[in-house]
Amino acid sequence: KQEVTQIPAALSVPEGENLVLNCSFTDSAIYNLQWFRQDPGKGLTSLLLIQSSQREQTSGRLNASLDKSSGRSTLYIAASQPGDSATYLCAVIRYSNDMRFGAGTRLTVKP
Amino acid sequence: KAGVTQTPRYLIKTRGQQVTLSCSPISGHRSVSWYQQTPGQGLQFLFEYFSETQRNKGNFPGRFSGRQFSNSRSEMNVSTLELGDSALYLCASSPRGEGGELFFGEGSRLTVL
Repeated sequence: KQEVTQIPAALSVPEGENLVLNCSFTDSAIYNLQWFRQDPGKGLTSLLLIQSSQREQTSGRLNASLDKSSGRSTLYIAASQPGDSATYLCAVIRYSNDMRFGAGTRLTVKP
Repeated sequence: KAGVTQTPRYLIKTRGQQVTLSCSPISGHRSVSWYQQTPGQGLQFLFEYFSETQRNKGNFPGRFSGRQFSNSRSEMNVSTLELGDSALYLCASSPRGEGGELFFGEGSRLTVL
């Protein structure tokens, strides 16, 4: 059974700080790993998709890495801004687009 | 390009009633999957449809069902509603049957009284 864990559960940082969010999963038989952000009461916004054959993906200030063998992924956010405040979710994608989520990291960036 | 559209956005039902939620995927996407989000259980996979066929189903009772139409639009139905069915129901679409990026709608927030 696939278990996805995200650490920390909550994080508060001052504006401008670089930060790392962690995600671990128990079953390495995955197709992809995807990072999302969710604002309160809203749906999920896709941030980065890492194919199982890839090691990392970058988009603007975001960089995500994937180590399938150790069952870990990290999301690096550079120069954080108050607008980055949200819950960040990691999800692994199995067969038939069955996606298993972590509980999320609630990020607060203070001005 | 329009995103994933879910209707209705909010609804209130009473115990024992049934509800139908609708999802229109991104144009050209043939895979539609449904998720339930609650504060206690987080995001949980309900089921996935591809080309009108249910390919995978999560660990939910038979009261939860769905279908997909030939235009890839999907509906999910919950019968005999219980208080614990109160949740945000999210739909996601993907252009590929396997390994593609998933795009989510804004969700339908169901409150059961």
